[in-house]
Amino acid sequence: RKEVEQDPGPFNVPEGATVAFNCTYSNSASQSFFWYRQDCRKEPKLLMSVYSSGNEDGRFTAQLNRASQYISLLIRDSKLSDSATYLCVVRPPGNQFYFGTGTSLTVIP
Amino acid sequence: NAGVMQNPRHLVRRRGQEARLRCSPMKGHSHVYWYRQLPEEGLKFMVYLQKENIIDESGMPKERFSAEFPKEGPSILRIQQVVRGDSAAYFCASSPRPGQATRYSGNTIYFGEGSWLTVV
Repeated sequence: RKEVEQDPGPFNVPEGATVAFNCTYSNSASQSFFWYRQDCRKEPKLLMSVYSSGNEDGRFTAQLNRASQYISLLIRDSKLSDSATYLCVVRPPGNQFYFGTGTSLTVIP
Repeated sequence: NAGVMQNPRHLVRRRGQEARLRCSPMKGHSHVYWYRQLPEEGLKFMVYLQKENIIDESGMPKERFSAEFPKEGPSILRIQQVVRGDSAAYFCASSPRPGQATRYSGNTIYFGEGSWLTVV
């Protein structure tokens, strides 16, 4: 079983739409969770950490459900510049980081 | 520049040659990771190192690939006798010790801009 599973998409949404990505993880002892963004031919960059109580950063909301072992990312009022691949990242005890395969998002004018 | 530094950014090798990719971690970080990304595919973990120690090399091909992170100097990913299938982006990343955010980063993993290997 993979450490992290993520729907690869692609998600094609119109500007202004709300879109949500989910990601499941297998290790219930995982302690830290993150969302990264990767643009074409660029390195992944940290978008936001995911906290137990959920957290928001502008149009982006991240949530964690420990009981069901999934994390989610909600993007409201999508912009063209949000087009990218979104990677969920899970960190079990220790210092290894497990990446999902990424979900591709294209925001259409 | 306090970020993760990789070089060369672009490298062209003929089949059978060796490729050496270098990575200097972010200031204050003691853990280095190497990932490979083939065209149109996701990131694949290769190896995780601390200074002078390989912690996890479960993603590293058994032949032709090796990695080190010496006491002094950058981490090196070495690919011997390259083949066309080795053409990919190789990303290095670094992180601080668990539970320890640094002056330059939070307690997570940060990537360099990648080294793009083309085998002709």
